[in-house]
Amino acid sequence: NAGVTQTPKFRVLKTGQSMTLLCAQDMNHEYMYWYRQDPGMGLRLIHYSVGEGTTAKGEVPDGYNVSRLKKQNFLLGLESAAPSQTSVYFCASSYSEEFTYSYEQYFGPGTRLTVT
Amino acid sequence: AQSVTQLDSHVSVSEGTPVLLRCNYSSSYSPSLFWYVQHPNKGLQLLLKYTSAATLVKGINGFEAEFKKSETSFHLTKPSAHMSDAAEYFCVVSSYQDTGFQKLVFGTGTRLLVSP
Repeated sequence: NAGVTQTPKFRVLKTGQSMTLLCAQDMNHEYMYWYRQDPGMGLRLIHYSVGEGTTAKGEVPDGYNVSRLKKQNFLLGLESAAPSQTSVYFCASSYSEEFTYSYEQYFGPGTRLTVT
Repeated sequence: AQSVTQLDSHVSVSEGTPVLLRCNYSSSYSPSLFWYVQHPNKGLQLLLKYTSAATLVKGINGFEAEFKKSETSFHLTKPSAHMSDAAEYFCVVSSYQDTGFQKLVFGTGTRLLVSP
């Protein structure tokens, strides 16, 4: 049971290049998320998915696209990278817990992206 | 809107002394609250969560937190710090969206430094 895995772990891009970050989970979770972490700002939600084939915008979605073609995978794409997208990106997943007020998110190890 | 404020960006303690990491929250309804820990270059791991059951919540590695509604606080404590506790700690509150989706709102983090 690997939990949540992310590839790649590190990447350096030039401004304007594109790339896709892959997140995979083996816990059969319905919900998946992409966050970015910047110094002094905690984690901010980029996009999320509540099930296969669905995606929705979080609080900082501009410049990113996502897809959830399979339940276990959630892809984050940068079509034209900008220096402002230099960050550490975390993927997470969770069960959907209807009628409760709490659920735990399980995080991947992160991808450190630098855009020059 | 739900929010959390972590009152200290850095906390320094000596090994064997108590740890106190402070968190205040703002929520228009009875919230779910979490503490996550992030060790250097790692993903986030859940330490403990409050879900309206007991107000004193015990977590992993000897940490606990007390939910105080009157003070809107959820401070994290540990009686005796260990070198391995050195990490960044995030206080998190759940936030319901109009769609029914429950989003996590992260504090900006507190870095715990433990000296020998």
